[in-house]
Amino acid sequence: EPEVTQTPSHQVTQMGQEVILRCVPISNHLYFYWYRQILGQKVEFLVSFYNNEISEKSEIFDDQFSVERPDGSNFTLKIRSTKLEDSAMYFCASSLKGTQYFGPGTRLTVL
Amino acid sequence: DAKTTQPPSMDCAEGRAANLPCNHSTISGNEYVYWYRQIHSQGPQYIIHGLKNNETNEMASLIITEDRKSSTLILPHATLRDTAVYYCISKSSDSNYQLIWGAGTKLIIKP
Repeated sequence: EPEVTQTPSHQVTQMGQEVILRCVPISNHLYFYWYRQILGQKVEFLVSFYNNEISEKSEIFDDQFSVERPDGSNFTLKIRSTKLEDSAMYFCASSLKGTQYFGPGTRLTVL
Repeated sequence: DAKTTQPPSMDCAEGRAANLPCNHSTISGNEYVYWYRQIHSQGPQYIIHGLKNNETNEMASLIITEDRKSSTLILPHATLRDTAVYYCISKSSDSNYQLIWGAGTKLIIKP
């Protein structure tokens, strides 16, 4: 069964450094998403992406964040200058129609 | 904020049916009810969704009341591996709308 994959599973970085989180959505899906979950808190929407552009973003998704679909398979989330409060699980999701399917997540730890 | 309300926690004996309630009294006519679960800090796993009619798949059954103000997710024969946080989410049928997550129901299956 097709699934969303994410790499790396765990990323440790120093505050102020740039990180890129990678996702491979399900191959025939058209809509792509990033969510995050700070430890012990709710899952929060960051951004959705369709037809090579952002279709919706939350207040969390400020100028420090960007997304890209550099080729036909990858979908990336870049954080330009990480802060301590960016430490969280980051989940990628994709959908063909309404149902979103999630990857296993990347645990980002900012020191 | 999430437009659904769920009990914070429930217990169920292994092998019995687990019935998880959800209230969505302000659901709009074009909004589906989606159920996901999250085991530990893994990626959310899609379970089932429905609009008006009851739905069943290999994982669960979804019972939606006639007025659509509430629903129940049924895991027919719960196993220890069903221990997870279960989320009920109402979402428009439009594909790229974000999922708005509440706190969910922590379901503990006891041997």
